[in-house]
Amino acid sequence: QVQLQESGPGLVKPSETLSLTCSVSYYSITSDYYWAWIRQPPGKGLEWLGSVYQTGSTYYNPSLQSRVSMSIDTSRDQFSLYLSSVTAADTAVYYCAPHYDFWTGSYFEHWGQGILVTVSS
Amino acid sequence: EIVMTQSPATLSLSPGERATLSCRASQSVRNNLAWYQQKNGQAPRLLISGASTRATGIPDRFSGTGAGTEFTLTISSLQSDDFAVYYCQQYNKWPQITFGQGTRLEIK
Repeated sequence: QVQLQESGPGLVKPSETLSLTCSVSYYSITSDYYWAWIRQPPGKGLEWLGSVYQTGSTYYNPSLQSRVSMSIDTSRDQFSLYLSSVTAADTAVYYCAPHYDFWTGSYFEHWGQGILVTVSS
Repeated sequence: EIVMTQSPATLSLSPGERATLSCRASQSVRNNLAWYQQKNGQAPRLLISGASTRATGIPDRFSGTGAGTEFTLTISSLQSDDFAVYYCQQYNKWPQITFGQGTRLEIK
């Protein structure tokens, strides 16, 4: 079954851009899935940040749309998250997870292990 | 944005008891609702999709009901492994995906 692994810096300075990559194994990134990022601040709930499809089409949470972008590299079976102008409020565990389209169901059956990103100077 | 509200925030029960967790949507999400279980330090685990369909490997003591705006996750007889945080998630309004704030199920 699909396996996912998040990677990137665990510490980012305020006002800088957070960059994370999710590597996909045992499944083709050009399959039917959309590829999503979800975050969870310490002790708090889950927030969907957005999703990217194999074509490069992106769909973002409106609350973050001005700061978030995503990309996909089908040749490397990886997709990435970029979050600009970070503050301490962006400190969270960041997960990557695939989901199907609206008609099949956009829920998350597989998850990466998550990566803690701390925003601090 | 569709707001998902879970209740109660914390539920204290004993092993063997029945747990009933609620999730309410601010507008109809039809049956496009999922439930997850999350334990400390772990990624969430999908329990239920389509409001009532158990995911692969999920024991039948977990059941989901509801449609529209009102949903329930029931755990028929709590086992020690079930004490965790539970989240609901709607996926009816693509590309908006929203989660509830969670219910913590703790041992009484």
